[in-house]
Amino acid sequence: SYVLTQPPSVSVAPGKTARITCGGNNIGSKSVHWYQQKPGQAPVLVIYYDSDRPSGIPERFSGSNSGNTATLTISRVEAGDEADYYCQVWDSSSDHRGVFGTGTKVTVL
Amino acid sequence: EVQLLESGGGLVQPGGSLRLSCAASGFTFSSYAMSWVRQAPGKGLEWVSAISGSGGSTYYADSVKGRFTISRDNSKNTLYLQMNSLRAEDTAVYYCAKALGYCSSTSSCYFDYWGQGTLVTVSS
Repeated sequence: SYVLTQPPSVSVAPGKTARITCGGNNIGSKSVHWYQQKPGQAPVLVIYYDSDRPSGIPERFSGSNSGNTATLTISRVEAGDEADYYCQVWDSSSDHRGVFGTGTKVTVL
Repeated sequence: EVQLLESGGGLVQPGGSLRLSCAASGFTFSSYAMSWVRQAPGKGLEWVSAISGSGGSTYYADSVKGRFTISRDNSKNTLYLQMNSLRAEDTAVYYCAKALGYCSSTSSCYFDYWGQGTLVTVSS
């Protein structure tokens, strides 16, 4: 089955840039979506189709995808960005299923 | 405004059954695939199952295949998850999510709206 690997944690100072990676075999050939989840809340979509932002999501959130790594970038990090972040793909290969990454806890110092 | 409201969670013994419901509003329910995603306490998100807008196609994670059944009633704008032969490792908050894309053998999908979740605890 398809596996998505994320770093467990990323720490960043306010105003700096956080980069969260999502590794998967030839992930560049798939569409990657990203979710933000704050404690006790449901996930919120922040990036879809690698780099598109839903309405209401700040331009500080951006995404890219190539080769074996997709990346979510948060520019000018704010305290309110502290959360867990998950990447997600739909594996349309032999097993048609959703796959979530292992998740990354972003801590704002 | 899109709203998804899950219900039916609770405490159940190992080997028992439970049916979750998700009442949807604010969009044309039958036009969208829907999915269930769960999150064990302190753990990450795990995709569980998806169903096409018509209900004619369903997909399951290996961990629940043969035990869980996803279904929908488009006349009632409601999504269901029938869970049988429950195990301790099924303990989790279960979210229903509206999908964009077909979640099929040929089309990707992602989840643009989520409910607040319902807690299922499997314990004796």
